[in-house]
Amino acid sequence: GAGVSQSPSNKVTEKGKDVELRCDPISGHTALYWYRQSLGQGLEFLIYFQGNSAPDKSGLPSDRFSAERTGGSVSTLTIQRTQQEDSAVYLCASSEAETQYFGPGTRLLVL
Amino acid sequence: QQQVKQSPQSLIVQKGGISIINCAYENTAFDYFPWYQQFPGKGPALLIAIRPDVSEKKEGRFTISFNKSAKQFSLHIMDSQPGDSATYFCAASLGAQKLVFGQGTRLTINP
Repeated sequence: GAGVSQSPSNKVTEKGKDVELRCDPISGHTALYWYRQSLGQGLEFLIYFQGNSAPDKSGLPSDRFSAERTGGSVSTLTIQRTQQEDSAVYLCASSEAETQYFGPGTRLLVL
Repeated sequence: QQQVKQSPQSLIVQKGGISIINCAYENTAFDYFPWYQQFPGKGPALLIAIRPDVSEKKEGRFTISFNKSAKQFSLHIMDSQPGDSATYFCAASLGAQKLVFGQGTRLTINP
């Protein structure tokens, strides 16, 4: 079946602009995660949605970052007033049990 | 206390050799330890995972060794092949939820 998809694949933006990154999880998966992978770094947890529970936002680096998940499916990660240090690959994952399945990521470059 | 430390950062192994990557964690509450494999331009994919109630798990050429008292676990790749060349991440979580990742190991298998 279809895996996790993310769009856009690549995004170049100017410092100070807002960006929206989209994630379509695997159908039926109740859990959805966002991670950030900076160049040469490991993956950093950002936010976690589980069913209808309140999301775990403990990894969001600042209040410029927010995410929502509509109808228990698609999720959007929004970064307001982007900064150069926001440049990274943003990865989405979904799961129904232990295994998290990752999408290909969105490569964000802030000029 | 949430850190997972991974070594080495990079590793070069001859074809047919054994690749060994090590990780150490601090939080004794972690109860799920997966290894992910990532190819350039792709999202990470689960390779193998272990829970702390067993000391070793083997799947094909891949083996996880787990030492609960030392808070360490390692990935062994037997008969390493050029197709195994990728970046490998260890991770840990509580309740198989948000993953805490190591910094990654770039593995190169020379033919």
